[in-house]
Amino acid sequence: QQQVKQSPQSLIVQKGGISIINCAYENTAFDYFPWYQQFPGKGPALLIAIRPDVSEKKEGRFTISFNKSAKQFSLHIMDSQPGDSATYFCAALDNNAGNMLTFGGGTRLMVKP
Amino acid sequence: KAGVTQTPRYLIKTRGQQVTLSCSPISGHRSVSWYQQTPGQGLQFLFEYFSETQRNKGNFPGRFSGRQFSNSRSEMNVSTLELGDSALYLCASTREQGAYGYTFGSGTRLTVV
Repeated sequence: QQQVKQSPQSLIVQKGGISIINCAYENTAFDYFPWYQQFPGKGPALLIAIRPDVSEKKEGRFTISFNKSAKQFSLHIMDSQPGDSATYFCAALDNNAGNMLTFGGGTRLMVKP
Repeated sequence: KAGVTQTPRYLIKTRGQQVTLSCSPISGHRSVSWYQQTPGQGLQFLFEYFSETQRNKGNFPGRFSGRQFSNSRSEMNVSTLELGDSALYLCASTREQGAYGYTFGSGTRLTVV
């Protein structure tokens, strides 16, 4: 079964700090890697996404770093704020195998004021 | 711009019953996908519909089914409910085929007792 492994399961960061969440995948056919943010009672919301031909993508305080050879990618949240406290999911898509995302297990982030 | 609307938000059913959940995608979006979210299994793909045709199906038993109407609205049905079907059911829509740029609804919280 295709898998995306996400770590850590939970993370506590001080306000202003950097939050780092890591994901690893096995299927080299994956060609799209999005990150989603989910608040309680809401559905996941797309934060930022990357394709494997790019090693880094930055949008505001959010950066994806992608290491194709290691089959790993990570989300960095700079200047973390209490409002960033949420659950974050990485995901991956193999477009040739069907239009479905394979999600990581999620990371519950708490940013302390 | 209205988002993805899922109804009902909450549902309590008895084991053995059946249930129908509804999803109205964003106007202009023709692809609708369904995911099941549980604490133990995380986010798992159920199926995807595009232009009234099921394009992909996840690894769920035949008790889980769905359909899409000509206006792109989608329904999913679960028959002979089991306690393990208790979950948050999420619908996501996108303009074209594929999981790029999914917009998720807030989900339907199903509790089976």
